[in-house]
Amino acid sequence: GAGVSQSPSNKVTEKGKDVELRCDPISGHTALYWYRQSLGQGLEFLIYFQGNSAPDKSGLPSDRFSAERTGGSVSTLTIQRTQQEDSAVYLCASSPYTSGPRGFFGPGTRLTVL
Amino acid sequence: KQEVTQIPAALSVPEGENLVLNCSFTDSAIYNLQWFRQDPGKGLTSLLLIQSSQREQTSGRLNASLDKSSGRSTLYIAASQPGDSATYLCAVQYNTGNQFYFGTGTSLTVIP
Repeated sequence: GAGVSQSPSNKVTEKGKDVELRCDPISGHTALYWYRQSLGQGLEFLIYFQGNSAPDKSGLPSDRFSAERTGGSVSTLTIQRTQQEDSAVYLCASSPYTSGPRGFFGPGTRLTVL
Repeated sequence: KQEVTQIPAALSVPEGENLVLNCSFTDSAIYNLQWFRQDPGKGLTSLLLIQSSQREQTSGRLNASLDKSSGRSTLYIAASQPGDSATYLCAVQYNTGNQFYFGTGTSLTVIP
């Protein structure tokens, strides 16, 4: 496809379970971002990948959160031992430039932790 | 902490009206500013991007302006249509760091 895709679109899990969220960026885009949008709140930066450089993990809220990007393309965000406060929409964006501009966002994964 | 504020939080206008959405940011050393649109249950669509050296950008009925010195940007929507109903977000990137800093958005409803 031409845009950023994310899977699954919806995920319902029980508290304490691990979840994996996937992002397929636009082909050739070197930069990839993960953001979280909680109900009634703004977008919260989680992590940024740029090429083969070490990722910027400064936004990850706890050590239960981790992300990897394989081969400079697909990225997986993993949340271990999920908590109810992890419920949110997780958005992925990619960009063709080293530091922006114009991030192209995916449709997001809506995570619900029961 | 970099803060981006959007006012109003919600706006309802009759079809055909011109309207202005506001975005303010605390640090003027920006790299660029983007306006996004978010429809319910969907991701973000980039509408306009203004580089730090630019004062405004236009796309169709949309015009975005940037005043770095006052830390403000406005999104002007001309002749609003029901299809413009969505949440509008502004996001700022700074010269240092990688992330976009988002405002909390303005929820726009255009009434037919």
